[in-house]
Amino acid sequence: IAGITQAPTSQILAAGRRMTLRCTQDMRHNAMYWYRQDLGLGLRLIHYSNTAGTTGKGEVPDGYSVSRANTDDFPLTLASAVPSQTSVYFCASSDSPSSTDTQYFGPGTRLTVL
Amino acid sequence: GQNIDQPTEMTATEGAIVQINCTYQTSGFNGLFWYQQHAGEAPTFLSYNVLDGLEEKGRFSSFLSRSKGYSYLLLKELQMKDSASYLCAALDSNYQLIWGAGTKLIIKP
Repeated sequence: IAGITQAPTSQILAAGRRMTLRCTQDMRHNAMYWYRQDLGLGLRLIHYSNTAGTTGKGEVPDGYSVSRANTDDFPLTLASAVPSQTSVYFCASSDSPSSTDTQYFGPGTRLTVL
Repeated sequence: GQNIDQPTEMTATEGAIVQINCTYQTSGFNGLFWYQQHAGEAPTFLSYNVLDGLEEKGRFSSFLSRSKGYSYLLLKELQMKDSASYLCAALDSNYQLIWGAGTKLIIKP
């Protein structure tokens, strides 16, 4: 069982370009999340999805969009990347939304926007 | 506002005991998590507390005081592999996790 996979592992991107970070889980979890992690700051929630077909905004959603067409996949799109979006991005999932269930994290994508 | 405070960095000696503190202020509270994150890797779950008191799990224990908005993670018999960042996160009234910046633990031989 792979758990959660993310692609790419790392990426260098020119400012203004569009980029989609992929996330797939095989645990049949209902809830999925996208976080960014920056040095000196805690994980910050970008967007989340409580179940397939629904999405919601987190703490820092501006400049990002998500979709949840099915249970397994939760891609994150940067429509027009800016240098402040340089970060490590983690996808996570949990069995149930709005609960105390543990979140399981993917290996992360290190994104550099120049 | 919502806030999680934990020390930025701590150093301890192999074989010793270390306590990593965390204070939180959240709108509502549905429990507190500790995660471990090795450099360049994903966070992994260590513990969850929702009731006051100490939960022991092998070499790791976690304590919660809801009235004080305080938790700590206790690591015993430290091993070199325990060198990592330890993330404290509180679950607020909307069941969203509010994360601390993490405590980098350095273990010296």
